[in-house]
Amino acid sequence: GENVEQHPSTLSVQEGDSAVIKCTYSDSASNYFPWYKQELGKRPQLIIDIRSNVGEKKDQRIAVTLNKTAKHFSLHITETQPEDSAVYFCAAITYTGGFKTIFGAGTRLFVKA
Amino acid sequence: EADIYQTPRYLVIGTGKKITLECSQTMGHDKMYWYQQDPGMELHLIHYSYGVNSTEKGDLSSESTVSRIRTEHFPLTLESARPSHTSQYLCASSEYTGNYGYTFGSGTRLTVV
Repeated sequence: GENVEQHPSTLSVQEGDSAVIKCTYSDSASNYFPWYKQELGKRPQLIIDIRSNVGEKKDQRIAVTLNKTAKHFSLHITETQPEDSAVYFCAAITYTGGFKTIFGAGTRLFVKA
Repeated sequence: EADIYQTPRYLVIGTGKKITLECSQTMGHDKMYWYQQDPGMELHLIHYSYGVNSTEKGDLSSESTVSRIRTEHFPLTLESARPSHTSQYLCASSEYTGNYGYTFGSGTRLTVV
């Protein structure tokens, strides 16, 4: 069946450095790719998303890139801060010809002050 | 404020008891979901619904049941709780068109003793 592979499972960076989390999906019909941030003890919250007709989207220090040919998308966080420490989940959603969401397994990001 | 609400927030219950976890959303979303998540770990889909009187089982085998009699309400029932059901249960909702991202509830942390 379809799946989403997310790497790395754990990422530790120094404050001010950049962090990159990568996801690869298998369903070529997927056309919407959200990223969620889950802080300790809190609910996952949508932080950025990208649709299949766009290659890159940026919102302040976070950006997402999509390569539809390679079925690969990435989350980029620049100038990391301790409050960026959280678990990040990617997802691939197919909303044409049915509706399906598959989440990645999550990446635990530690930003060291 | 439009949001998705889960009760109770924490629940400790004895083995064999029947429990219902409540989930209500005020966003008018058609689609609703239940996920099981050990803290900070992977999200496992238990049940989902695309509208009133529509319910489906997810990928995770579960002894739970759901109902969707009203658009805004999607309760999860465990007929006989077991220690293996100890986990966090997250309810989520999303739209059919436009914004496909999920809004998650704050979760119910269930402990079965």
